[in-house]
Amino acid sequence: AQSVTQLGSHVSVSEGALVLLRCNYSSSVPPYLFWYVQYPNQGLQLLLKYTTGATLVKGINGFEAEFKKSETSFHLTKPSAHMSDAAEYFCAVSEGRNTGNQFYFGTGTSLTVIP
Amino acid sequence: EAQVTQNPRYLITVTGKKLTVTCSQNMNHEYMSWYRQDPGLGLRQIYYSMNVEVTDKGDVPEGYKVSRKEKRNFPLILESPSPNQTSLYFCASNAGTPGSYEQYFGPGTRLTVT
Repeated sequence: AQSVTQLGSHVSVSEGALVLLRCNYSSSVPPYLFWYVQYPNQGLQLLLKYTTGATLVKGINGFEAEFKKSETSFHLTKPSAHMSDAAEYFCAVSEGRNTGNQFYFGTGTSLTVIP
Repeated sequence: EAQVTQNPRYLITVTGKKLTVTCSQNMNHEYMSWYRQDPGLGLRQIYYSMNVEVTDKGDVPEGYKVSRKEKRNFPLILESPSPNQTSLYFCASNAGTPGSYEQYFGPGTRLTVT
């Protein structure tokens, strides 16, 4: 069975500092990887995805993530945090049609940005 | 506008009173899913559907039912709700085709069972 681990349920950074949210997964086949963001009282919005090809993927709002197969990781980064980045972030993995297109989510990381 | 809609957005009910949360998508997606979100547990899949009349259990199916009679609709049914089903529920859909595996989420339904 697949699993997704997000290290750190709460992360605080100063405005302008680097944002690093960690995600590790377990999968028996090359996975499809995703980061979602959830702002207060809203649904989940796709930040970025890795399916095939370039392992460094760029998303919305200046975020990017790198797929490292050897480390089974897909960490999310942003060079300079903004106050508007405060939200809950979820990492997710799918094996596509191999497993009925099911998604598995991490438990989430709440990002606080300190002025 | 491509979207997933859910209704109602908020619901307060009592133990044992049957309820249905509707979900509809206008993107002609084959795959649809229901999740519940609880603090510290992230999103857990309740049921998913790979196409009309094809559904399967997710990780936490107990106490829930679904049906997929039309491609666009995927209602979630709680026949006899209990307080432990108080949660935030999300419906999602995806195309399930190469390059398009991401889930599109509805706005959520906050359910309280007293």
